[in-house]
Amino acid sequence: AQTVTQSQPEMSVQEAETVTLSCTYDTSESNYYLFWYKQPPSRQMILVIRQEAYKQQNATENRFSVNFQKAAKSFSLKISDSQLGDTAMYFCAFMDSNYQLIWGAGTKLIIKP
Amino acid sequence: DSGVTQTPKHLITATGQRVTLRCSPRSGDLSVYWYQQSLDQGLQFLIQYYNGEERAKGNILERFSAQQFPDLHSELNLSSLELGDSALYFCASSVREGRPLYGYTFGSGTRLTVV
Repeated sequence: AQTVTQSQPEMSVQEAETVTLSCTYDTSESNYYLFWYKQPPSRQMILVIRQEAYKQQNATENRFSVNFQKAAKSFSLKISDSQLGDTAMYFCAFMDSNYQLIWGAGTKLIIKP
Repeated sequence: DSGVTQTPKHLITATGQRVTLRCSPRSGDLSVYWYQQSLDQGLQFLIQYYNGEERAKGNILERFSAQQFPDLHSELNLSSLELGDSALYFCASSVREGRPLYGYTFGSGTRLTVV
């Protein structure tokens, strides 16, 4: 069965610092998608960034970037110049061949002023 | 506004009761997914519908049922409610057929409290 593991239950950093959230997954598939979602205190689920497994280039969205290591089955999220509004739960998710999202348990990120 | 509408936003009910949660997907989306998120936990997949038909089932209790109507809105029915059913229930939708390249679009959720 496919699984997604987020090993950091909680992290906190100072505003403006860079933080990396880790995610590993297990699958036998070769073509899949990976996502990072953000859930702020409002509880809304917001897509942060996505990565297609067949693309070697790491995805980037403004201050958010990923380090995708396909062989290691690792998909970490880097947040640069962190802002108070980045405080949220961050979920890593894997989309399988049935288009179902398999979710990690989440990492609670706190940005301190 | 994500385009996915969930009603009601909050619901408080007693144990043993039955409630219905409603979801209207984003315009053009044919797939609807229901998730349950208990306090400080990840999302648990309940069920998926595509164009009115059930497509996939997750860890959905027999006390729970869902359907998708011809206008594509979906309802999640929860019956014989227990305290442990208190959670945030999310609906998400995705575009047409094929792999949702941008994941799912989520509604803002319905917060269910069973007392």
